Amino acid sequence: EVQLVESGGGLVQPGGSLRLSCVASGFTFDDYAMHWVRQVPGKGLEWVSGISWNSVAEDYAASVKGRFAISRDNAKNSLYLEMNSLRPDDTAFYYCVKGFLYDNLVYYDYWGQGTLVTVSS
Amino acid sequence: EVVMTQSPATLSVSPGERATLSCRASQSLSSNLAWYQQKPGQAPRLLIYGASTRAPSIPARFSGSGSGTEFTLTITSLQSEDFAVYYCQQYNVRPLTFGGGTKVEIK
Repeated sequence: EVQLVESGGGLVQPGGSLRLSCVASGFTFDDYAMHWVRQVPGKGLEWVSGISWNSVAEDYAASVKGRFAISRDNAKNSLYLEMNSLRPDDTAFYYCVKGFLYDNLVYYDYWGQGTLVTVSS
Repeated sequence: EVVMTQSPATLSVSPGERATLSCRASQSLSSNLAWYQQKPGQAPRLLIYGASTRAPSIPARFSGSGSGTEFTLTITSLQSEDFAVYYCQQYNVRPLTFGGGTKVEIK
């Protein structure tokens, strides 16, 4: 059974930093692209960032480019999102999602349950 | 960026009836379009990929059609568990983008 378990969310002040983690199980992690998708409570879905199977390709939404950094550790079956210079409009649930193949032009066949990031003073 | 426009925003349907949801792209996607279902308090779930291929374990009452810029998700004979929000997503070009969603509610 595929499982994606996020952690690291919480309350942070504007300008602060946070690191999200996602531990994957139930599939061969290093065969697939992994992404982050966020959702403001009660609103729609927004793609944030994606990383290819071998970390060669990283993509970012314009809204987070230069502030967020995605990475993965295939030996630990883990995906990360380093978030810096956080703003109130970054407040959202952040979902770890599995791509259906190895590069970043993907749909998502599995989703984690999400971790809530709240940016507020 | 490819803009995905879903309509209607809300669809009121009686159980047992058919629901037809639309998704329009601002440029051609070929068939690189997926549909997701999201229920309150849950993560989205993949329904359809490649515009028309059902994901594993998705009931046959869900079907997708279209190509290029116009896509449709049809749910025949709505069941109580189908009342949810539905999103389309393009994966043809970077950045990946989602539609704003269609809420299917009980009439």
